[in-house]
Amino acid sequence: DAGITQSPRYKITETGRQVTLMCHQTWSHSYMFWYRQDLGHGLRLIYYSAAADITDKGEVPDGYVVSRSKTENFPLTLESATRSQTSVYFCASRTGGGNQPQHFGDGTRLSIL
Amino acid sequence: TQLLEQSPQFLSIQEGENLTVYCNSSSVFSSLQWYRQEPGEGPVLLVTVVTGGEVKKLKRLTFQFGDARKDSSLHITAAQPGDTGLYLCAGVEGSSNTGKLIFGQGTTLQVKP
Repeated sequence: DAGITQSPRYKITETGRQVTLMCHQTWSHSYMFWYRQDLGHGLRLIYYSAAADITDKGEVPDGYVVSRSKTENFPLTLESATRSQTSVYFCASRTGGGNQPQHFGDGTRLSIL
Repeated sequence: TQLLEQSPQFLSIQEGENLTVYCNSSSVFSSLQWYRQEPGEGPVLLVTVVTGGEVKKLKRLTFQFGDARKDSSLHITAAQPGDTGLYLCAGVEGSSNTGKLIFGQGTTLQVKP
């Protein structure tokens, strides 16, 4: 089915480990985003990408790395996970300008023990 | 970074009641979006308001963008249990072409039958 998919849906890992969250969209949207959602904070932007090979930091980028070698994929890596990175992570994509809707995946619930 | 204050953060009402959710900022946004999120899913766009003073209606939901484009409200008439969910406002930061979204903290609405 066309759309935006995230994997895995749930992940439990330990502090210090590297973990990668995957995001794939089938619309060929130019823009892709990674957010984290924590109680009381709404959604906070981690990184975004305007096109393949173009990425930029959002509000809370520390501890995260992204890449975008292909338009449809935008993986997010936690190089050395910390407990403060326990959260629900959402990937989103958008075509064109900022007034266009962002289309979200169903999220990855990440727990770091 | 611009901030969006959303209120109330939690609202529990009986079916048939009316309610209003507010989204306020000291900064001007090029446009503002409202999303609704169900448990275990990503947010889904309800509406985008672009022009100061603009009012949009979506069945029993009425959205208004402030004249100065610094605030917005969502009014629900005769709420139903199906309206239960998390409502998020999001302002488009920067130019409308490349703008990122700044989210409010969200309003959790519970409508009891």
